[in-house]
Amino acid sequence: IAGITQAPTSQILAAGRRMTLRCTQDMRHNAMYWYRQDLGLGLRLIHYSNTAGTTGKGEVPDGYSVSRANTDDFPLTLASAVPSQTSVYFCASARSRNQPQHFGDGTRLSIL
Amino acid sequence: GQQLNQSPQSMFIQEGEDVSMNCTSSSIFNTWLWYKQDPGEGPVLLIALYKAGELTSNGRLTAQFGITRKDSFLNISASIPSDVGIYFCAGPDNYGQNFVFGPGTRLSVLP
Repeated sequence: IAGITQAPTSQILAAGRRMTLRCTQDMRHNAMYWYRQDLGLGLRLIHYSNTAGTTGKGEVPDGYSVSRANTDDFPLTLASAVPSQTSVYFCASARSRNQPQHFGDGTRLSIL
Repeated sequence: GQQLNQSPQSMFIQEGEDVSMNCTSSSIFNTWLWYKQDPGEGPVLLIALYKAGELTSNGRLTAQFGITRKDSFLNISASIPSDVGIYFCAGPDNYGQNFVFGPGTRLSVLP
């Protein structure tokens, strides 16, 4: 079934550790996005990529990095995790920017 | 930055009742999106609106693009238990690059 796959589904991580959240889509969408969802704050954009080889910063990029080496994959890296990064992380993709986005099922990350 | 407000924040309704919720923006939009998020899953697109005054239906759901272009409305008729979830509105950011999301309306349906 075509869609977006996120891994892992959930993770508990010690503060200071490095962590990469994976996101893969098989819809050949050009645009991809990473959001975090926190209670009462809705979905906030971390980083985005309008096309392979390009990335941009969203509303809350600090402490996160991304890469877009090809169309399908858009990993999100926490170089040194901190407790405030405890959240649910969603990856999304769209045919192009300004088009409706399709979301994965999320990664639940707890930083202790 | 651009902000979206959704009302109500949460609502409890009886099965079979109709539901209305709205979303307002601090600026004019040319697109409105409505998503639903089931517990433990990612948001799923329900309806997309592209023109002021547009009224679009998807089954029991109907959404409208407000005439002022600063608001949108979502109605659910004859609610059922599977309508439970969080409903998000979204619109383009100030640069037209990405979408900003409202804080959501949490819907609970009582049997």
